[in-house]
Amino acid sequence: DGGITQSPKYLFRKEGQNVTLSCEQNLNHDAMYWYRQDPGQGLRLIYYSQIVNDFQKGDIAEGYSVSREKKESFPLTVTSAQKNPTAFYLCASSPQDGVGYTFGSGTRLTVV
Amino acid sequence: AQSVSQHNHHVILSEAASLELGCNYSYGGTVNLFWYVQYPGQHLQLLLKYFSGDPLVKGIKGFEAEFIKSKFSFNLRKPSVQWSDTAEYFCAALTGGFKTIFGAGTRLFVKA
Repeated sequence: DGGITQSPKYLFRKEGQNVTLSCEQNLNHDAMYWYRQDPGQGLRLIYYSQIVNDFQKGDIAEGYSVSREKKESFPLTVTSAQKNPTAFYLCASSPQDGVGYTFGSGTRLTVV
Repeated sequence: AQSVSQHNHHVILSEAASLELGCNYSYGGTVNLFWYVQYPGQHLQLLLKYFSGDPLVKGIKGFEAEFIKSKFSFNLRKPSVQWSDTAEYFCAALTGGFKTIFGAGTRLFVKA
């Protein structure tokens, strides 16, 4: 079945450490996205990528980095510069026209 | 700035009650509109979408939404809710390019 796989489901990180969240899709979608979901704030866009080797900052990119070396993969690194990293992170993908997202199951990151 | 507003953060209904969740967007041009639903412990999934044509859009599980251009609104409705409709509902707008903007979400709790 086609879909998006995010791993791990739960992640704990010590302050000052970088951590990378994985996102893989087998839908042959061109575009991929990372959102952060916080209670009462909905989904806020961190980064998005329309094609391989290209990506753009979203609304809250500070403290995050991404890469898009393969069409299927769009990993997100939460760096130590991110002031409040504890959150639920969602990866999504869409066809080239950006219409209609398929979401992954999310990664809950907790900084301890 | 483009934005999506959802009127209620929490809604509590009894089974068989009618549902209407408000959504307004701020964008003057062509817009694609969506409602996504996140059931407890599950992925975000697409409930329905509007691109063009008939402003009354029907989605899965008996939900429908009406696009009213003059009011910049895309309210979600269901005539009779069930306990299984308990979830968080997100309105979203694709206003250009690949970026979809999400509202803050409405948590619906249906009492059995």
